[in-house]
Amino acid sequence: AQKVTQAQTEISVVEKEDVTLDCVYETRDTTYYLFWYKQPPSGELVFLIRRNSFDEQNEISGRYSWNFQKSTSSFNFTITASQVVDSAVYFCALSEARNNAGNMLTFGGGTRLMVKP
Amino acid sequence: DADVTQTPRNRITKTGKRIMLECSQTKGHDRMYWYRQDPGLGLRLIYYSFDVKDINKGEISDGYSVSRQAQAKFSLSLESAIPNQTALYFCATHGGLYEEQFFGPGTRLTVL
Repeated sequence: AQKVTQAQTEISVVEKEDVTLDCVYETRDTTYYLFWYKQPPSGELVFLIRRNSFDEQNEISGRYSWNFQKSTSSFNFTITASQVVDSAVYFCALSEARNNAGNMLTFGGGTRLMVKP
Repeated sequence: DADVTQTPRNRITKTGKRIMLECSQTKGHDRMYWYRQDPGLGLRLIYYSFDVKDINKGEISDGYSVSRQAQAKFSLSLESAIPNQTALYFCATHGGLYEEQFFGPGTRLTVL
């Protein structure tokens, strides 16, 4: 069975600090997809990134970067020079290619990030 | 216009009432999903549908039913609402394995 763990339930930082959100996953499938979603206070879910299990290259998008390490089953998310607008709940999710439930997403419990001015 | 819409956005109801949450999408996707979000638990799958004739239970389907009226419409019903069904409900669509899921804005349901 697939499982996603986000051990940090809440993180508080001061603006301009760097912050890393941890995500650890479990799967028996060799082909799978990892995702990060952002949920701002308004409640909608905003897609941030998708990564497949065969692509371990790290990715950078502006102030956001992602570190995918299959050896430790982790897909961590770093925000550089955090801003107040980054305050949100962030979800890591996993989808197995051969999952019977139609590629359902299994979500972690989320990490609430609070960026203080 | 939003690709995935949900109605209502907020609903307060009483224990025992029947409630329907509706979802419509304009993305042309065959796959649609209903999730519920509870604090600290992330989102959990209630039901999913591959097409109009294919509906499947997710991990927490007890107390819920669904209807896929058309490719674009997928409704979630609570036949007899109970307080522990108070949650944020999301509808999502999926174009296929290599794509992300697209979520609606959510419906906040409170059962008193």
